[in-house]
Amino acid sequence: DVKVTQSSRYLVKRTGEKVFLECVQDMDHENMFWYRQDPGLGLRLIYFSYDVKMKEKGDIPEGYSVSREKKERFSLILESASTNQTSMYLCASRHQGADEQYFGPGTRLTVT
Amino acid sequence: GESVGLHLPTLSVQEGDNSIINCAYSNSASDYFIWYKQESGKGPQFIIDIRSNMDKRQGQRVTVLLNKTVKHLSLQIAATQPGDSAVYFCAENPSGAGSYQLTFGKGTKLSVIP
Repeated sequence: DVKVTQSSRYLVKRTGEKVFLECVQDMDHENMFWYRQDPGLGLRLIYFSYDVKMKEKGDIPEGYSVSREKKERFSLILESASTNQTSMYLCASRHQGADEQYFGPGTRLTVT
Repeated sequence: GESVGLHLPTLSVQEGDNSIINCAYSNSASDYFIWYKQESGKGPQFIIDIRSNMDKRQGQRVTVLLNKTVKHLSLQIAATQPGDSAVYFCAENPSGAGSYQLTFGKGTKLSVIP
């Protein structure tokens, strides 16, 4: 079975803090994705990476950056957390060229 | 922009009845569709998928129907069980097979009444 894990299930940070969200997959997937999920808005793509050290902006990249130094790990960085970044963050991965994405359990981030 | 939408935001069904969850899509170029199930506090879980060259696909207790004429997708769950209670949402691949992005619907919450 594909396993996608995220470093934290719940996280509380203060405004202005730098926040790191980590995602690891164990299926040698080339592509990895970061989404945020908000009530009434569904899943919105923040960034994706199609291979190591490669990244592409999604629909809402402002206020975020990413890092993909190893194939199995994709990190989402909030350089200076703001309250409007309070959300559920979901990581996903898939094989290059495949359609189905496999999701992690999510990190619920609260910025106070 | 074009997006995937859902007809019903909430659905309550009696245990043992069949459930039907609907999804409308607007991009006629989409050739792949997925249904995900998301239980409270968990990440989305793949249920079933279908390509645009098919109009029906069956899994275990689930069936997905695709009507390309009206750009409509539905998920049917047979003999709904309490464990089926979750948010269900569809996703489409608007840029063709293998492209990077999926477009997700907002979700329908299914509540099963014991």
